[in-house]
Formats: sequence, C-alpha cells, structure tokens
Amino acid sequence: QSALTQPASVSGSPGQSITITCTGTSSDIGGYNYVSWYQQHPGKAPKLMVHNVDRRPSGVSDRFSGSKSGTTASLIISGLQADDEAVYYCSSYRSTSTFYWVFGGGTSLTVL
Amino acid sequence: EVQVLESGGTLVQPGESLRLSCAASGFAFNLFAMTWVRQAPGKGLEWVSGISASGDRTYSADSVNGRFIISRDNSKNMVFLHMNSLRADDTAVYYCARVTPNNWFDAWGQGTPVTVSS
Repeated sequence: QSALTQPASVSGSPGQSITITCTGTSSDIGGYNYVSWYQQHPGKAPKLMVHNVDRRPSGVSDRFSGSKSGTTASLIISGLQADDEAVYYCSSYRSTSTFYWVFGGGTSLTVL
Repeated sequence: EVQVLESGGTLVQPGESLRLSCAASGFAFNLFAMTWVRQAPGKGLEWVSGISASGDRTYSADSVNGRFIISRDNSKNMVFLHMNSLRADDTAVYYCARVTPNNWFDAWGQGTPVTVSS
C-alpha cells in the first residue's frame, strides 16, 4: 500500500501563494473525488483543511483551496501567513481488491 | 461539539498486546464510520484501520493486517484497536478520527502514544 507522492518541502514569503501537489493513481485520486488535505502543526493533531478535492469545512480560511487533474491533486494557499507554516498531508480513498485510505508523505511548508 | 478522545497508549515490550480506546461524543456515533491513523516519531501519517458505522465491515492496512483488530461498541460510543504481536515499528502516536460518508476525516483526537521497546 504505497503512499501518495508529495514534495518534501515548499516555501514562500508572506503574502505569496504556493501550491502543494499530491500524485496518486487511477485507483485513488484519479478514480474518486475523495481527496482531502490536512494541516498539522508540531505536536498537534491533524486538522482538515479541504475535502472532496475543493471543498472547505466551515471555519477554514478561503485562502486555502484545492483542485485535481487526472491523478494529481493540488492544495493552493494564497496570501501566505506565518501561521500557515506546518506540515500538509493529502489523503484519498483507494479501491483495489479492497477499500482503504492512503496518505501522502507530507509537505513541510516554510514561510520565509 | 464533536469530540473524540483516545486512551490506552503506553510502553510495551515486543510481542505483547495492547488495546487502545476511543471515546466519541457530540454526534450520532452509530451513523459514522471510524478510523485509526498513526504517526511514528518524526514521520508522516499512516492509515491503520477503519470500521463501518454498524461495525459489520472492517479494513486494515497491510502493515497491521492479521495483528490489529478494530472493533466498536455503539451502545457506549467507543471504538477500540486491539493490537497483537507488537513490534518496534508500531511505535507511534495513534489517532482516532471520525469518517464522513464522503471519506474524509473531520474530527480527530489528540492521540495516544504507544512505545514498543524492550
């Protein structure tokens, strides 16, 4: 059960926009719109930021958005703020011979 | 308010067993699937196991299949992770989370740490 592929790190200056990609297969990202993104600050539990590819839960800033093309999903953060510095994980439902969920390896975002 | 709270994590020796518990509140527990996700020290998130709302279907990652069993008690709003034949690479913080019908995890606990070491 291999993980989804994310870049290890990205960085940006305050006010800028960044994009984090997440690459999977036709059995997960490419086959379903069940992609979600989680933010994790050090020592804290993950927090849902985007679900169903591009939907935001209530309370999450509209600076966070998502998209998908084929087997690659993306998280876009605009107007970077210092508190956005965290690790971001993508996740997807996967169906092969059984059903399960899979995470990406995580992307560490540094706000310069 | 939707809440999940894990407990039961501790230090165990390789080969031993351990049961983690997750208490849920603030929502209709019997309508939601639940899942366990773990995070080894300094590593990323790893999905471990999931269980349907009624408890009739369970799913596990290959890394724990045959050793870990997930169960639930809907009368007590509890989910459990029964971990057997524990190994050093099972050392992690274990999170319990609620699964929405569209397969995302919208409520997470703070995690319970499990250390497997002699």
